[in-house]
Amino acid sequence: EAGVAQSPRYKIIEKRQSVAFWCNPISGHATLYWYQQILGQGPKLLIQFQNNGVVDDSQLPKDRFSAERLKGVDSTLKIQPAKLEDSAVYLCASNEPKLAEETYEQYFGPGTRLTVT
Amino acid sequence: AQSVTQLGSHVSVSEGALVLLRCNYSSSVPPYLFWYVQYPNQGLQLLLKYTTGATLVKGINGFEAEFKKSETSFHLTKPSAHMSDAAEYFCAVSLLFGNEKLTFGTGTRLTIIP
Repeated sequence: EAGVAQSPRYKIIEKRQSVAFWCNPISGHATLYWYQQILGQGPKLLIQFQNNGVVDDSQLPKDRFSAERLKGVDSTLKIQPAKLEDSAVYLCASNEPKLAEETYEQYFGPGTRLTVT
Repeated sequence: AQSVTQLGSHVSVSEGALVLLRCNYSSSVPPYLFWYVQYPNQGLQLLLKYTTGATLVKGINGFEAEFKKSETSFHLTKPSAHMSDAAEYFCAVSLLFGNEKLTFGTGTRLTIIP
């Protein structure tokens, strides 16, 4: 079974530029998450999708961040314009809805490391 | 709202010694609890989880954790450290019911001394 795929793995941009990250979840997983992991901190949820609908985007800085999951499969996270404090690793995760507690797990991709200069 | 506190941002143990990484949580409803490991330049890998049932849970690579409701703790242990255990470890909590987003602690970097 293929894991969660993300691209690019690394990105360096200047502040005020735009950037986009792509995530392809595990096949059949209805729920998709984007987390931001700043150096020295734990991951923080930015947005959660259930199929192509948004479940939780309460911590997404909507003035500069946007995300979409148009067909309920892969997803794109965009930052426009980027700030220095956006330097972080952006992690994508997916899972099945909680059908059975013992099987519940979020699967993470390798992440995209963004450096804003 | 739920939260996680990991005591000790850096822990060093000798190879073969006991590993103990501490995690305390706060949750207004029954939680799911997780430990994830992150190796350099990689994503997060699930070590173990507590959902319901037995409070002592065993995971991969010889790790285990015990859910103690009275202490709101979920400490991670391994009897004998191996060099390959050097990594960042994250404790996380999600709700048993409702939005299952993960709330993470700040992580503990484990260093193994040869």
